[in-house]
Amino acid sequence: GEDVEQSLFLSVREGDSSVINCTYTDSSSTYLYWYKQEPGAGLQLLTYIFSNMDMKQDQRLTVLLNKKDKHLSLRIADTQTGDSAIYFCAEFLMDSSYKLIFGSGTRLLVRP
Amino acid sequence: DSGVTQTPKHLITATGQRVTLRCSPRSGDLSVYWYQQSLDQGLQFLIQYYNGEERAKGNILERFSAQQFPDLHSELNLSSLELGDSALYFCASSLYSQAGELFFGEGSRLTVL
Repeated sequence: GEDVEQSLFLSVREGDSSVINCTYTDSSSTYLYWYKQEPGAGLQLLTYIFSNMDMKQDQRLTVLLNKKDKHLSLRIADTQTGDSAIYFCAEFLMDSSYKLIFGSGTRLLVRP
Repeated sequence: DSGVTQTPKHLITATGQRVTLRCSPRSGDLSVYWYQQSLDQGLQFLIQYYNGEERAKGNILERFSAQQFPDLHSELNLSSLELGDSALYFCASSLYSQAGELFFGEGSRLTVL
């Protein structure tokens, strides 16, 4: 089935690390994505990982993939107030539908 | 700036009415996607067009329709509007028909009173 789940809310202190988690269900996924939505704006692609990878690092962002458990996480190091946004996990289905399925989004609040 | 343009940014209308939302994709992108974002339903995929042809269909109501024109811009038509149709409607574009890297517009906020 197609289902991507995320926790709804995360609050961290500025300078700490943030870890946003996501679970997905479809084994046909090949690419998994993290998008960021700032207030009043559209979604912006942050990073992605291919399903044969365990980890991908891009500056302050680290993506970890546990394919066995279908668990994806996004770690933001040294979280800043500008990181406050909604973060969406998405899986790209490589079955006949070729759809991008989004999770419900995790609202990250960074406290000064 | 993603390069995707959506108009109007805000729209207020009454139940039973019909509205048209417009989207211009990023230059060179052939695929256009429409998503609906509401508080209780999250981000729902509605429909995708690729180079003028319908490519994939999601949870789009029969009261809604879309098309992609030869110049690749797209319109989403919402008719017989209900209160529950109030949402943020996003258009996104990509170069290929099968892609996870989408470029999103800023959305059109529809309020149905």
